[in-house]
Amino acid sequence: ETGVTQSPTHLIKTRGQQVTLRCSSQSGHNTVSWYQQALGQGPQFIFQYYREEENGRGNFPPRFSGLQFPNYSSELNVNALELDDSALYLCASSFRTGAAGETQYFGPGTRLLVL
Amino acid sequence: AQRVTQPEKLLSVFKGAPVELKCNYSYSGSPELFWYVQYSRQRLQLLLRHISRESIKGFTADLNKGETSFHLKKPFAQEEDSAMYYCALAGTGNQFYFGTGTSLTVIP
Repeated sequence: ETGVTQSPTHLIKTRGQQVTLRCSSQSGHNTVSWYQQALGQGPQFIFQYYREEENGRGNFPPRFSGLQFPNYSSELNVNALELDDSALYLCASSFRTGAAGETQYFGPGTRLLVL
Repeated sequence: AQRVTQPEKLLSVFKGAPVELKCNYSYSGSPELFWYVQYSRQRLQLLLRHISRESIKGFTADLNKGETSFHLKKPFAQEEDSAMYYCALAGTGNQFYFGTGTSLTVIP
């Protein structure tokens, strides 16, 4: 069984640029969620993808967008980067059962620094 | 508003002492609650979830709807319990809410 992987591990961008972060789900999982974790804070839910469609969204502006592919891997895209976007970005995969709140399996994260 | 509150950022206890990590939630329906743990240099992982009512690594958590709490407890803390603990709530619209976390240190 392969766990959740994320790439890259670290990234430095400048304000105004665009970034794409990638996530491979754990084998057998069909749902991917993305989180932003600022220093000293808990993970903040960005959005969730199920069957290649956005299936829930937190309080993040539209410049945060995503994709889920047929193999259930996912991308998080952030446009017009701002300094406050500097954070650890976590991907979590799960298997949608229809019940509320499936167990999520987290990746190691991508640390983004915006200068 | 749906929200999870962990009032303690830091908690230190001696080895063998009881430990309680507090979690309060705000949710109008029937909540689905979790505790996640992050050990040093490891990724975030599930410790336990309310619905399964399991005891994992000696930890238990009871849902108290009257007090809107889901405190995590262990009767005898071990050094290997030192970690960051997050309480989380599965909310409406497939949203997931994490608290700010409590860093637990077990003193030998």
